[in-house]
Amino acid sequence: DQQVKQNSPSLSVQEGRISILNCDYTNSMFDYFLWYKKYPAEGPTFLISISSIKDKNEDGRFTVFLNKSAKHLSLHIVPSQPGDSAVYFCAAFIIQGAQKLVFGQGTRLTINP
Amino acid sequence: DAGITQSPRHKVTETGTPVTLRCHQTENHRYMYWYRQDPGHGLRLIHYSYGVKDTDKGEVSDGYSVSRSKTEDFLLTLESATSSQTSVYFCAISESWDRGNTGELFFGEGSRLTVL
Repeated sequence: DQQVKQNSPSLSVQEGRISILNCDYTNSMFDYFLWYKKYPAEGPTFLISISSIKDKNEDGRFTVFLNKSAKHLSLHIVPSQPGDSAVYFCAAFIIQGAQKLVFGQGTRLTINP
Repeated sequence: DAGITQSPRHKVTETGTPVTLRCHQTENHRYMYWYRQDPGHGLRLIHYSYGVKDTDKGEVSDGYSVSRSKTEDFLLTLESATSSQTSVYFCAISESWDRGNTGELFFGEGSRLTVL
């Protein structure tokens, strides 16, 4: 049972344009949603998060949008830069209980010059 | 960078042999996790620990065991390695939510295991 899904395995975007990565979830109990970025041969690193009580969070070039009714979130990167080429993982977190982070399958983003 | 060290970073072993991966942290964080990363599956939780000697199973725990005898060390053991356990293994740490953690994990650099 995949509670967090990223249906696009890969995405290619031209440098300077907007990158939009999507994520769907099934469990309405999630309290926080997070995006992680991963370069080859490195561990994932935290990028940005959003509380379930908000619909938008922005940090520089990165904005995460949450649509609770659709159980959908997206990460917008504007403008896209070559260093943004990486695998992006969507994840969800429930505060109470075991404090486990559930990850999606990941989307490989490639920024073309 | 969070102080997390995984060892070994690379290992090749044969089917049926035991393997132990070590995660060491210097952050004194309460929670420690072992994930595996496989193409098409993302990161899947194997086991996690919420304190010394306190561990629990994740979604893909079969064939794995863990131990945490000290705050700083979390060991992942494959009692009898199989080819399906060929993967990249990541250790992660986090603080408790009541200390302000909202899901942010700090990951190690990964251990690539190949089982022939």
